[in-house]
Amino acid sequence: NAGVTQTPKFQVLKTGQSMTLQCAQDMNHNSMYWYRQDPGMGLRLIYYSASEGTTDKGEVPNGYNVSRLNKREFSLRLESAAPSQTSVYFCATTAGGIGGNTIYFGEGSWLTVV
Amino acid sequence: AQSVTQLDSQVPVFEEAPVELRCNYSSSVSVYLFWYVQYPNQGLQLLLKYLSGSTLVKGINGFEAEFNKSQTSFHLRKPSVHISDTAEYFCAERVYNTDKLIFGTGTRLQVFP
Repeated sequence: NAGVTQTPKFQVLKTGQSMTLQCAQDMNHNSMYWYRQDPGMGLRLIYYSASEGTTDKGEVPNGYNVSRLNKREFSLRLESAAPSQTSVYFCATTAGGIGGNTIYFGEGSWLTVV
Repeated sequence: AQSVTQLDSQVPVFEEAPVELRCNYSSSVSVYLFWYVQYPNQGLQLLLKYLSGSTLVKGINGFEAEFNKSQTSFHLRKPSVHISDTAEYFCAERVYNTDKLIFGTGTRLQVFP
């Protein structure tokens, strides 16, 4: 997937532990997103950033925080992981604007909370 | 709130048969619609998109979709599927006047030999 890198790809956490998922893009895009994917639920938006320094809640923000460190990087933090946060997490980017720009996805981060 | 409904969670089909994956959207204003494909253990890739103009949209890998405003539908079709089309397919709609996408719950297409 062109230009969107997520780390780590796999992670197992114990309940209550914290961790940060990192996302970096080299496409010079303004907008960045974090989605989670769960069976039968499709993709749900956690947080969104229209530009450096701005963030906005999506459909399921509870239990997460984000940082848009600069134009390239958008991190997702779980402060106190819960089993309900076991999921596949996708970072995505788009050039932005009201037009129908294509959204590019990273390859995903598989997170298991035990 | 806007929503996207994919009516079938799974669609089994034999190789070389035609297939239609159904999607209904909710927005009554300017609509941007997308189909994405996800192969196992990968991220999503854009198949096609409708922004305006011709209601029949052609995408990659021989897929096409038809925008139907009166039925608020954007069904995906392929006249003859291959084993390699086995994947999960997501319909999505842009939230009006934003860069956010609302996704459907996905349809798993399984192509059998």
